[in-house]
Amino acid sequence: RKEVEQDPGPFNVPEGATVAFNCTYSNSASQSFFWYRQDCRKEPKLLMSVYSSGNEDGRFTAQLNRASQYISLLIRDSKLSDSATYLCVVRGAGKSTFGDGTTLTVKP
Amino acid sequence: GAVVSQHPSWVICKSGTSVKIECRSLDFQATTMFWYRQFPKQSLMLMATSNEGSKATYEQGVEKDKFLINHASLTLSTLTVTSAHPEDSSFYICSAPRIAGGVADTQYFGPGTRLTVL
Repeated sequence: RKEVEQDPGPFNVPEGATVAFNCTYSNSASQSFFWYRQDCRKEPKLLMSVYSSGNEDGRFTAQLNRASQYISLLIRDSKLSDSATYLCVVRGAGKSTFGDGTTLTVKP
Repeated sequence: GAVVSQHPSWVICKSGTSVKIECRSLDFQATTMFWYRQFPKQSLMLMATSNEGSKATYEQGVEKDKFLINHASLTLSTLTVTSAHPEDSSFYICSAPRIAGGVADTQYFGPGTRLTVL
């Protein structure tokens, strides 16, 4: 079993749709959690950190459930520019582990 | 602006040659840097952790004699792919965590180096 698993995707949604991604992790000692966005042939860029209390940044909402060991990302009112691969990242013991990513395509 | 740079951004070389990739933290010191490799349509795979002033820590299955890492200063780590072969063609990305208040803050990624071995 992989340390970090994400929804397989791809997700193809129309503009304005709401889409949610889930990610599960196996190491209960993991300390911090992030969502990164990676555009084709580019490096990953931090989208947002994920906190137990849940956090929101504009159209993006991230949540962490430590008991069930999963994190989620919700994108509301999706835009064409949201098309990318979204990587779930779990960090612990000084090391970051990446999920395989979920590809989102937003269509007009 | 970019806080971690990589050079070169892309390289094409013949099989058997060695390729050096540089990773620099631009406005902060990084005692630790990470080297990842990403094949098409796959996730980033950690290759090794580069430690300033000491030996790098390699992940299982990564040949340390093939992927030489040198963390020469607090702002520079280099990865040398020795005797590169076509199967080494990949996207190599470095990252450095910026420490704030004694705790690792955000992990910044370099723009990546696309290596193609003919």
